[in-house]
Amino acid sequence: EDQVTQSPEALRLQEGESSSLNCSYTVSGLRGLFWYRQDPGKGPEFLFTLYSAGEEKEKERLKATLTKKESFLHITAPKPEDSATYLCAVHSPGDDKIIFGKGTRLHILP
Amino acid sequence: NAGVTQTPKFQVLKTGQSMTLQCAQDMNHEYMSWYRQDPGMGLRLIHYSVGAGITDQGEVPNGYNVSRSTTEDFPLRLLSAAPSQTSVYFCASSLDKEGGYTFGSGTRLTVV
Repeated sequence: EDQVTQSPEALRLQEGESSSLNCSYTVSGLRGLFWYRQDPGKGPEFLFTLYSAGEEKEKERLKATLTKKESFLHITAPKPEDSATYLCAVHSPGDDKIIFGKGTRLHILP
Repeated sequence: NAGVTQTPKFQVLKTGQSMTLQCAQDMNHEYMSWYRQDPGMGLRLIHYSVGAGITDQGEVPNGYNVSRSTTEDFPLRLLSAAPSQTSVYFCASSLDKEGGYTFGSGTRLTVV
C-alpha cells in the first residue's frame, strides 16, 4: 500500500533558525511529489511539484529536494509568517490518486 | 477567476439527513477531487474524477456519492449522515494529474 509519512509532526523554531521537514514515501514508480502550505481555517496552497530524484525547487525561503525514497523541505532563516502546516503528497502510477501525508505543523517564534 | 468555490462554508446536520456539498471551478480543470480532513488523520481522498462523466473511489468512499456531469461542477452527496462524517471537506482541482491542486476554502460539517 502506498504510504506517505511526514516528520516531525510539529516543529518550533526561533526566527532565523533554519531547519528541514521530511517526507518519506513508499510508492514505486513515483509520478510526482507535491508540497503544500496550509494556514488555519484555509485550504492547502500549492508550493512545488518534484518529479525525479535529484530535482530541486525554490521559492523565497523554501527549497524542496527529492531522492528515491524521501523529500525534504528546507526552510532558511524563517520568519513568523512562515508558520503553517506543511503537507506532502504523492501521485502513484497505479491509479490517479493523490495521497497526502499528515503534515508538519511549523511554528516560528519571533 | 474565482478558482474553486465550495458551498456551504458551514453546515449542521442531524443523523440520517442527506445533503449535497457543492464544488465549482472556473479554470477548465479536468481533474477534481474531494478530501476530508480530520485532526490527526490528515487529508483523506473520498472520490475523484479525471474528467466529465468519469469518477472513481478514493480511500474513504463509503457513505458518499459523486457525479461529474460537467467539467465545472463536482458535487459530493452524503446519503445518510452519521456523526463519523463530522469533518472539514475540501474540493480540489488541477489541469492534469501531474500538476498541483487548487483547493477550495472548505466546508465544515457537523453531524449531531
